[in-house]
Amino acid sequence: LAKTTQPISMDSYEGQEVNITCSHNNIATNDYITWYQQFPSQGPRFIIQGYKTKVTNEVASLFIPADRKSSTLSLPRVSLSDTAVYYCLVFSGAGSYQLTFGKGTKLSVIP
Amino acid sequence: DAGITQSPRHKVTETGTPVTLRCHQTENHRYMYWYRQDPGHGLRLIHYSYGVKDTDKGEVSDGYSVSRSKTEDFLLTLESATSSQTSVYFCAISPPNSGSTGELFFGEGSRLTVL
Repeated sequence: LAKTTQPISMDSYEGQEVNITCSHNNIATNDYITWYQQFPSQGPRFIIQGYKTKVTNEVASLFIPADRKSSTLSLPRVSLSDTAVYYCLVFSGAGSYQLTFGKGTKLSVIP
Repeated sequence: DAGITQSPRHKVTETGTPVTLRCHQTENHRYMYWYRQDPGHGLRLIHYSYGVKDTDKGEVSDGYSVSRSKTEDFLLTLESATSSQTSVYFCAISPPNSGSTGELFFGEGSRLTVL
């Protein structure tokens, strides 16, 4: 399973765009990149998933460069309610259902 | 929200006692997982199940056993609880298409304190 590295914590003011970058240097050809969000006292929640280039949904955008050795989760115009821990995961879509969570990035949104 | 219920939500027990945590789903999904979450460690996979009576170990399975006699229930047992097993335990299920999305649905968690 590919290991991921992401910043331990980030601070941002309300209304700003936040970019959280994740490094996954040994990502395999079959691997997908998935991001989760976790609020205090809750289980993680799936946000977005991608394989290459850019993916956008109602919550976030995910940018993946051509070499796929990193990915960036972009949260537009964050609010206080976006304060959470964000996890970057790499998993194989080839029948593997095991997900490995790292320590995540704790995002604190400041008013 | 996915129909996942964990019980008990909170439990305090003493070292050496057996503890069973239950995860119940109403989604009829094949795959179920148990994770533990500790400060500084993120979430770590304990065991998972890929069908009735089919289970396998995760990265931190020592001291834990699991059973799945019905699709809807996945039980996590600590045969003899230790203080190092004080943690928040999360159950998760994966929908049929999650092989291409990596999407899991998590329960609310069970906080276990071993004194």
